[in-house]
Amino acid sequence: EVQLVQSGAEVKKPGESLKISCKGSGYSFTSYWIGWVRQMPGKGLEWMGIIYPGDSDTRYSPSFQGQVTISADKSISTAYLQWSSLKASDTAMYYCARGYGSGRWADNWFDPWGQGTLVTVSS
Amino acid sequence: QSVLTQPPSVSGAPGQRVTISCTGSSSNIGAGYDVHWYQQLPGTAPKLLIYGNSNRPSGVPDRFSGSKSGTSASLAISGLQAEDEADYYCQSYDSSLSGSGVFGTGTKVTVL
Repeated sequence: EVQLVQSGAEVKKPGESLKISCKGSGYSFTSYWIGWVRQMPGKGLEWMGIIYPGDSDTRYSPSFQGQVTISADKSISTAYLQWSSLKASDTAMYYCARGYGSGRWADNWFDPWGQGTLVTVSS
Repeated sequence: QSVLTQPPSVSGAPGQRVTISCTGSSSNIGAGYDVHWYQQLPGTAPKLLIYGNSNRPSGVPDRFSGSKSGTSASLAISGLQAEDEADYYCQSYDSSLSGSGVFGTGTKVTVL
C-alpha cells in the first residue's frame, strides 16, 4: 500500500525555526515527485512546491519561494518542509502528497495524501 | 488569490445532478494543461476524485465525472448523496511567472 505519513502537530513561537517531515512507503520514493500543500484555517488549498527525490529537483510557487525550503533524504524516503523564522501567518495545516502521472511534471496529480501536520505559531 | 475560479457553493437535493465549474485562462487550462479534482470531507485530507480531466481512479463512483473545454473544466456529480457533502477543488498548472501548480478557490457542496 502506498502511504505517506507526516510528523506530528507542532506549536511554535514567532521567530522559531521548524522542519516537518513526510515519510513515503510502499513505492519507489525516488521515482515520484512529492508536493506540499498549505491549508490555512477555514481556507482553501494552496500549492506550495514539489521535489523530485531522485535528483532533488525542486519547484516552488512564487508565493512561497524564499519563505520555505523543501528538501528530501532519499536514504530514508522522507521529504521535508522547513521554515527558518516562523510567523503567526504560517499557522495552518500542511499536507504532503505524491505527484503522479505520465509525461511532464506540470500535469501531475496528487495521490495519495499524507494525513496532514498542523502547525500553530503563537506567542 | 487563485488563478482558477470556482463558485463558493453549490447545493442540490438527494438524487439531483450538480456541476462545479473551474474557470482558468490561456496560461493554465487554456494552454492545454490537465485538470484534476479533489474531494475534501470535513476534518480529513483531500482525496483524488478525477485525474487527467476526465479519468476516475479505481474506487471512485461513476456518479462523478469530469470534463474540460477551452479555458474551463467542470466536475459533475449525478445522483447526489448525503455523503457527497464536502469541499471540492480543481488543480492544474499555470505557466505565467515562473510556472507553478495551482488549486482552484474551492466549492462547498451542500446536500439539501
